Amino acid sequence: DGGITQSPKYLFRKEGQNVTLSCEQNLNHDAMYWYRQDPGQGLRLIYYSQIVNDFQKGDIAEGYSVSREKKESFPLTVTSAQKNPTAFYLCASTAGWARGTDTQYFGPGTRLTVL
Amino acid sequence: GQNIDQPTEMTATEGAIVQINCTYQTSGFNGLFWYQQHAGEAPTFLSYNVLDGLEEKGRFSSFLSRSKGYSYLLLKELQMKDSASYLCAVRGNYQLIWGAGTKLIIKP
Repeated sequence: DGGITQSPKYLFRKEGQNVTLSCEQNLNHDAMYWYRQDPGQGLRLIYYSQIVNDFQKGDIAEGYSVSREKKESFPLTVTSAQKNPTAFYLCASTAGWARGTDTQYFGPGTRLTVL
Repeated sequence: GQNIDQPTEMTATEGAIVQINCTYQTSGFNGLFWYQQHAGEAPTFLSYNVLDGLEEKGRFSSFLSRSKGYSYLLLKELQMKDSASYLCAVRGNYQLIWGAGTKLIIKP
């Protein structure tokens, strides 16, 4: 079955530690996205990548980093520079911005808690 | 600036009809999406409108008026499983802009 996987589902981290969230897709989608969701707020874009080896900052990129070495994978690192990292993180992918309706398909999410 | 407004919370009765509104002001418009999100889960796609008018899909319908910057999601024959948040998102020039979502509570 095609889809997007994120791991782990729940993650705990101590202050001052970096942590990497995994996102893998087997939909053969070109574009991938990372969002952060906080209670009572809409999804906020952290980073996105429209093609391998290229990515762009979203609205709230500070304290985060990404890589896109393979089409299927778009890991997100939450660094110690992120002041308030506790949130629900969602990864999404689309066939590509220029193609049709470009519906975003989401992974199940990772809930990160900083202790 | 770019802005999407939705009511924070709505309550409806099982079997009834509810309309969830979304108004937007964005730089560029290339379509509007509605997603459903159950608590603790990822959003799932419901509908997409790019032209004015009503799109019907089973119990759910979505309407768009580009001149008014307005959309609504209509849910008929409400079921308890429809209790969820409903997110409106506008496809701008380069990315999706998301509303904060409307939490829909269904009462028996």
